[in-house]
Parts: sequence; C-alpha cells; structure tokens
Amino acid sequence: QVQLVESGGGVVQPGTSLRLSCAASGFSFSNFGMHWVRQCPGKGLEWVAFIWYDGRTKYYADSVKGRFTISRDYSKNTVYLEMNSLRAEDTAVYYCARDAAATGISLDYWGQGALVTVSS
Amino acid sequence: QLVLTQSPSASASLGASVRLTCTVSSGHSSYAIAWHQQQPEKGPRFLIKVNSDGSHRKGDGIPDRFSGSSSGAERYLTISSLQSEDEADYYCQTWGTGIWVFGGGTKLTVL
Repeated sequence: QVQLVESGGGVVQPGTSLRLSCAASGFSFSNFGMHWVRQCPGKGLEWVAFIWYDGRTKYYADSVKGRFTISRDYSKNTVYLEMNSLRAEDTAVYYCARDAAATGISLDYWGQGALVTVSS
Repeated sequence: QLVLTQSPSASASLGASVRLTCTVSSGHSSYAIAWHQQQPEKGPRFLIKVNSDGSHRKGDGIPDRFSGSSSGAERYLTISSLQSEDEADYYCQTWGTGIWVFGGGTKLTVL
C-alpha cells in the first residue's frame, strides 16, 4: 500500500534552516510528482511546493519562493523540502502528498505530517 | 485568480445526509476539484474528484456513502448515512499549471 512518512520536523529559531524528508513506499516513486502542503496552527491547508516526476520542473507558492527548495532522491524514494530563512509564520504541520496527474487526480495520498515550529 | 470558496461550517444529524458546497471562482467554472477529509489530529485523506460535468472518481477504499456532483461553478460533496467518524474538516482543492489551491475548509459537525 502507498505510504508517505515525513520526518525532520522540530523547533528552530527564526532565520535558521531545516530540511524535511518524506519517504515513499508502495508505488513506483519515479512515476509520480510530489507535493508539500502545510497547515498553520488552527488554519486550513496551504500548498507549498511541487516537483514533477522527473525532477526537472518545480513550482513554489509565492510565500516560500526563494527560501524553500524541493528535491527528490530516486535511490532513496524520498522527497525533501529544504527550508531556509525560516520565519515565525512558517510554523506549521508539513505534509507530503503524491500527485497522480496521469490518472487526472491531484494529491491522492498524504503523509501524517511533520511539525515545524519557528520560535526564538 | 483561481479561488475556491467554502462555507466555514455545516451540521447534520447522525444517519442523515449532508451536502457540502465548493464554489469555483469566475472564469474557472470548467475546473475539476478534489475533496479531502481531515479528521481531528490526522493528516488529510483524498475522498473524491469531481469534474465540471458531475462525473467523479473516488479514492481507494472510500465508502459509497460519499458522492460528488456539480452544477455550474459549484462542486458538491454529499455524505449519506452520516456516521460519527464523518465529523471532520472537508477541503476542496483544484489545480492549474504550476498552481494548486485549497478552499478554506468546512467543519462538519455530526449531531
């Protein structure tokens, strides 16, 4: 079965960096695009970043553009979110999700999330 | 601008049916949307994709109690035979080239 497991969350100070990982299993990782979506405390879902199945195309929300970088490692079936210059407003639970564009469905499987707290 | 609008809350009785609405912004009425359920303290789960013509496709293992439909710029999620575990937040979501958008979510209370 499809599984997505995020890790790497924690408490960091403003201005610092953190890298989240999402380990994928149960499907052919190289055939699917992957997303990061976040949820600030008590708020709704906000799309953050997307990487195409081949890693060549990446998209970012305006709120993180220039600070966050999405990447993937096919040997480890893992997608990453490198977060730099973190701000208090980046505090959120970060979810990775699979994109099933080939079937016309977006975000068809989700992970359980990783909490990132940016605080001094 | 691609925007999805949802009512903040809805409620219905145990065993009854409820229909949640997601409105696609003007100029985007042909867009398909997806519905995702988020139970308390859990990650989201994909429920169903609803096309502008009302056709839909459910996620793996989603019960028949969940169905989707469409009318103009509105996309609906209908949940029948409501159960206590259906009490959750429901988000609609759509996408375009390089952009993915969520509605604000509807908190469903099962009475």
